[in-house]
Amino acid sequence: AQTVTQSQPEMSVQEAETVTLSCTYDTSESDYYLFWYKQPPSRQMILVIRQEAYKQQNATENRFSVNFQKAAKSFSLKISDSQLGDAAMYFCAFNRIQGAQKLVFGQGTRLTINP
Amino acid sequence: DAGVIQSPRHEVTEMGQEVTLRCKPISGHNSLFWYRQTMMRGLELLIYFNNNVPIDDSGMPEDRFSAKMPNASFSTLKIQPSEPRDSAVYFCASSSHDRAGNTIYFGEGSWLTVV
Repeated sequence: AQTVTQSQPEMSVQEAETVTLSCTYDTSESDYYLFWYKQPPSRQMILVIRQEAYKQQNATENRFSVNFQKAAKSFSLKISDSQLGDAAMYFCAFNRIQGAQKLVFGQGTRLTINP
Repeated sequence: DAGVIQSPRHEVTEMGQEVTLRCKPISGHNSLFWYRQTMMRGLELLIYFNNNVPIDDSGMPEDRFSAKMPNASFSTLKIQPSEPRDSAVYFCASSSHDRAGNTIYFGEGSWLTVV
């Protein structure tokens, strides 16, 4: 079974600074997807970024980028130029490519942006 | 394209009453998921459909919970009778199982309060 671990329950960063959220996972599969979802106070789950395990290049979406280390089973999210609107819970998630499709989530990291 | 549509957005009901949550997945998606989110247990997968067929319902808490997907564009999650411990945010999500996909998109959630 797959597991996802986020070891930082809470993080804070000054506005305009850079912050990195950590995520590790465990799987025996060689090909899979990894995601970061953002959940603001409205509770809506918003996809931030996606990484395919077969791609060596780290995914980037504007101010959001990942550091994917497949051998170490690590998938961290870097937020550059932090904005007040980035304040939210962030969830790391794993999904298989073959077989049953069901996201496995980490416990979440609450990110606070200090003005 | 319209996203995953859930209704109702908010529901307050009395213990013992029947609750029905509804979901319309993204058109063309062939997988549908029901998740529950609580403070204590985080995000839990309740049930997963593929091509309208329930594939994994191991997360359904007990017989009071049932889910149906009569066609590709509609699903329901029913709780009968409801109990205060069922209070949570219930998310419906859908995905397309293909190489470019496997990304799960969430609805805005149904906030359920059982008093």
